[in-house]
Amino acid sequence: SYVLTQPPSVSVAPGQTARITCGGNNIGSKSVHWYQQKPGQAPVLVVYDDSDRPSGIPERFSGSNSGNTATLTISRVEAGDEADYYCQVWDSSSDHPYVFGTGTKVTVL
Amino acid sequence: QVQLQESGPGLVKPSETLSLTCAVSGYSISSGYYWGWIRQPPGKGLEWIGSIYHSGSTYYNPSLKSRVTISVDTSKNQFSLKLSSVTAADTAVYYCARHKPGANFDYWGQGTLVTVSS
Repeated sequence: SYVLTQPPSVSVAPGQTARITCGGNNIGSKSVHWYQQKPGQAPVLVVYDDSDRPSGIPERFSGSNSGNTATLTISRVEAGDEADYYCQVWDSSSDHPYVFGTGTKVTVL
Repeated sequence: QVQLQESGPGLVKPSETLSLTCAVSGYSISSGYYWGWIRQPPGKGLEWIGSIYHSGSTYYNPSLKSRVTISVDTSKNQFSLKLSSVTAADTAVYYCARHKPGANFDYWGQGTLVTVSS
């Protein structure tokens, strides 16, 4: 089945920019979605279809996708952005089509 | 506003069947979308279990397929998960969620912790 690899952790100072990568074979050919999960809470969709934001998600959250890497960028990081982040794709060629990344813990210093 | 709410036993004995229901409000299951189950073992990542359409069409994670059944009750606007022959490895928070085919999960339930233990 398709594998999505994320760095276990990313640390960033308040006001700076956090970049979270999601690696997969030719991931640029797929639509990538990103979820934020705070402790004890359900995941929340923050970016879909590579770079679109659901209603209510700040413009500070943006996404890109090319080649073998998709990236979620959080600009002007705030303390409230501290959470786990997961990427997700649909692999149409697989019998296990809904695949989540390994997850990245973002720590705000 | 679409809302999903999981319910079911929080403790299941090994070898027994885990049963959960997801009640949907603010949207009619019969109107479309797929309805899925995702789980998350303590301290670990997310795993898709399977999904169902309002017509009853289902598809499952191959690693769980032999033990999983997802069904839908449009009259009650809810769908259900059954996972048989559970072991400690099935201990997880179970989420229900809405999604379009081949797309993202846009609405999630709050999740329910199911512990497998004697």
